Amino acid sequence: EVQLVQSGAEVKKPGESLKISCKGSGYSFPDSWIGWVRQMPGKGLQLVGIISPSDSGTRYNPSFQGQVTISADKSINTAYLQWSSLKASDTAMYYCARVDDSGYHYGGFPLGAFDIWGQGTMVTVSS
Amino acid sequence: DIQMTQSPSTLSASVGDRVTITCRASQGISRWLAWYQQKPGKAPKLLIYKASSLESGVPSRFSGSGSGTEFTLTISSLQPDDFATYYCQQYNSDFPWRFGQGTKVEIK
Repeated sequence: EVQLVQSGAEVKKPGESLKISCKGSGYSFPDSWIGWVRQMPGKGLQLVGIISPSDSGTRYNPSFQGQVTISADKSINTAYLQWSSLKASDTAMYYCARVDDSGYHYGGFPLGAFDIWGQGTMVTVSS
Repeated sequence: DIQMTQSPSTLSASVGDRVTITCRASQGISRWLAWYQQKPGKAPKLLIYKASSLESGVPSRFSGSGSGTEFTLTISSLQPDDFATYYCQQYNSDFPWRFGQGTKVEIK
């Protein structure tokens, strides 16, 4: 079964660091880009950025650039999203999702929908 | 950046109804559009990609159409399992990819 399994819920204080994970299985993990999507409580979906596990090439949403770091370790089929100093406004559900490779690429990244999603990791930042 | 606008924001319908949700892009995106369904407490699920291609395993009552700046998601006969929130998303060369604000389909 093709799946992405995310790490568990986190409760942190403002200023703390955090790294959450997303492990892929059932397919060749290096061959498909992974995206991270934020959903704040009661709100819609917002792309944080995408990463190629093959070469760790990344594209960030400018709204998140400098606020988070996306990385991947293809040897253990895992992608990561990390913060060095959390804020209360980072409180949200974070999903990882696989980019379906439609065969079309532009500027080094694929044009594809998110076909497989992780179950989500709830991050709560509160003093 | 491309903006994606869905309408309506909320839709009240009955089982068996034909339901249509519209998504408009602020500039042309060819057919690089996906539709997702999200139920409370769950991850989104891909329904339609490339504007009109049905994802494997998705019931045929779901269909998508459109190109350029205007797109629609149609549910031909609403079923109890379809009450959820639906999002469109553009994924063309204009990064970052953006989602619409969502359309909640409620029981009438």
